[in-house]
Amino acid sequence: DTGVSQNPRHKITKRGQNVTFRCDPISEHNRLYWYRQTLGQGPEFLTYFQNEAQLEKSRLLSDRFSAERPKGSFSTLEIQRTEQGDSAMYLCASSLRTGSQETQYFGPGTRLLVL
Amino acid sequence: LAKTTQPISMDSYEGQEVNITCSHNNIATNDYITWYQQFPSQGPRFIIQGYKTKVTNEVASLFIPADRKSSTLSLPRVSLSDTAVYYCLVGDRGSNYQLIWGAGTKLIIKP
Repeated sequence: DTGVSQNPRHKITKRGQNVTFRCDPISEHNRLYWYRQTLGQGPEFLTYFQNEAQLEKSRLLSDRFSAERPKGSFSTLEIQRTEQGDSAMYLCASSLRTGSQETQYFGPGTRLLVL
Repeated sequence: LAKTTQPISMDSYEGQEVNITCSHNNIATNDYITWYQQFPSQGPRFIIQGYKTKVTNEVASLFIPADRKSSTLSLPRVSLSDTAVYYCLVGDRGSNYQLIWGAGTKLIIKP
């Protein structure tokens, strides 16, 4: 399968713990996105990378959240000192920008539950 | 950034054609209209994208009137497996990070 993969698929943690999620994009894609989605809502943009450079980050994103994409391949999203409000589905998407067009391909998501 | 308005939910029956309309009154000249489908516990999946008139692919058609202030996603002969949430997005197709995702339309197909 050459689609976007995310690990783990589910994570349960206690409030105050740190968690890290991994995303492996489609291999030739140069852009990688992280989104958060809560029940009944559409995805909310968190941040994105073009190759290894983090180009945009949501102003609403807490400084407890950090993302990396070393070498422009896989990416990790870390949440420090988790709070119950962080419980959500975390989605990763990748895309290949060609000219003025790009189409995002989403992974299956990581569902986080903070107790 | 153009915002969109679409029905919260719709019901239909197997074998019917389903049309979901999205309003985007503030669409900009460079904006494209993109539709995604999302099943429970999965990431969204790209369905179709268009700029004006009509676009058709193997799963859907997209109708866009001349003023581009709305668009209609048409799903021919739906099946139970088409039950999902459908999102309409408007924006520069080269700047996906600026797309604003609404709550989408929850489509339920009945037998």
